[in-house]
Amino acid sequence: KAGVTQTPRYLIKTRGQQVTLSCSPISGHRSVSWYQQTPGQGLQFLFEYFSETQRNKGNFPGRFSGRQFSNSRSEMNVSTLELGDSALYLCASSLVGGQGIHEQFFGPGTRLTVL
Amino acid sequence: AQSVSQHNHHVILSEAASLELGCNYSYGGTVNLFWYVQYPGQHLQLLLKYFSGDPLVKGIKGFEAEFIKSKFSFNLRKPSVQWSDTAEYFCAVNSGGYNKLIFGAGTRLAVHP
Repeated sequence: KAGVTQTPRYLIKTRGQQVTLSCSPISGHRSVSWYQQTPGQGLQFLFEYFSETQRNKGNFPGRFSGRQFSNSRSEMNVSTLELGDSALYLCASSLVGGQGIHEQFFGPGTRLTVL
Repeated sequence: AQSVSQHNHHVILSEAASLELGCNYSYGGTVNLFWYVQYPGQHLQLLLKYFSGDPLVKGIKGFEAEFIKSKFSFNLRKPSVQWSDTAEYFCAVNSGGYNKLIFGAGTRLAVHP
């Protein structure tokens, strides 16, 4: 079974630009969560999508947004990039979302560098 | 706010030494607990998880962890480490559903041959 895939793996942008990252979950997984990993703040939850609906959101500004498609693939978008947005963005998928706890499987991440 | 605290940021051990990494969380309700590992150049992988039942859980690669509710702790242990255990280890908590994981800051483990 293929794991969680994320594209692109590396991205370089300049301040003020916007970026879209993509995540394909493991086949059959309907929940997709996004996390930001930085040396200073560690791993922080961005949001979770299940059945094309955002079910939970972390403490990030509105510049960070996402969506999920009917095939469970998900994208996250960051507008008006700031230097502090440089990070590894991780996607994780699990069988179901909503209430109930399920193991999350992580992708390799997208390394975003903002210049 | 929920938080997870990992006591050691860096740990250096020799092969065959025993390992214990501390993890404490702050949440009074029902929690689900995880340990993830990130080997150099690889993505996060689940080592073990606790949802309910026996508080002593066994994971992959000889790791185990004990959930002590009264101490809000979920420490990771391995009786004898190997060089291949060199990695960063993250403790995480999930409460209230919705797959929102709260991670600790991580512990970098270096094992010397």
